[in-house]
Amino acid sequence: GAGVSQSPSNKVTEKGKDVELRCDPISGHTALYWYRQSLGQGLEFLIYFQGNSAPDKSGLPSDRFSAERTGGSVSTLTIQRTQQEDSAVYLCASSGGQGAQDTEAFFGQGTRLTVV
Amino acid sequence: GQSLEQPSEVTAVEGAIVQINCTYQTSGFYGLSWYQQHDGGAPTFLSYNALDGLEETGRFSSFLSRSDSYGYLLLQELQMKDSASYFCAVTGSARQLTFGSGTQLTVLP
Repeated sequence: GAGVSQSPSNKVTEKGKDVELRCDPISGHTALYWYRQSLGQGLEFLIYFQGNSAPDKSGLPSDRFSAERTGGSVSTLTIQRTQQEDSAVYLCASSGGQGAQDTEAFFGQGTRLTVV
Repeated sequence: GQSLEQPSEVTAVEGAIVQINCTYQTSGFYGLSWYQQHDGGAPTFLSYNALDGLEETGRFSSFLSRSDSYGYLLLQELQMKDSASYFCAVTGSARQLTFGSGTQLTVLP
């Protein structure tokens, strides 16, 4: 596609429910990143994919968080048993991932997650 | 791992020049990037430095000193629309991209 697409754009869920957030990166981009941003805060790194593998999962806050990427394209971030502190905007970005092409990351508009 | 430090807030007047500094600690380093984020929007790429020196793109310039683990973003001829958050980011040895906590720039008339 023309840009990074994330869905849903907004999600309200009850505490304890599971949620899935989806990211469609720019076609051909090998690197994919997930970040979390609370209101007025910085970008908290969650996980990074190169192709389908995740060289760096160090940012996942707990074992309730998991992510996968299939076919070197679409990625899903799953949060199990959501808690109120999970409320934030979840941002996905992609980049070329090879040589000079990976110097610029393109971000989606994010999924605003609210846990009530 | 990576850690980055940048000021939390900067205020300047329209037409002025402002410099936003970024220092980093990283176990591996490929380059330093800068991103701009307006309220409610997604971050957008501004610049990337892999080598020491100054990169200029219009009113914005970015500088890197690898030996000092330091860089800055220089914004000239400030405009009201430049009011936004600015993030520095390090590309690490595994090509992961780690962001600083951001600098909120307010441009006053």
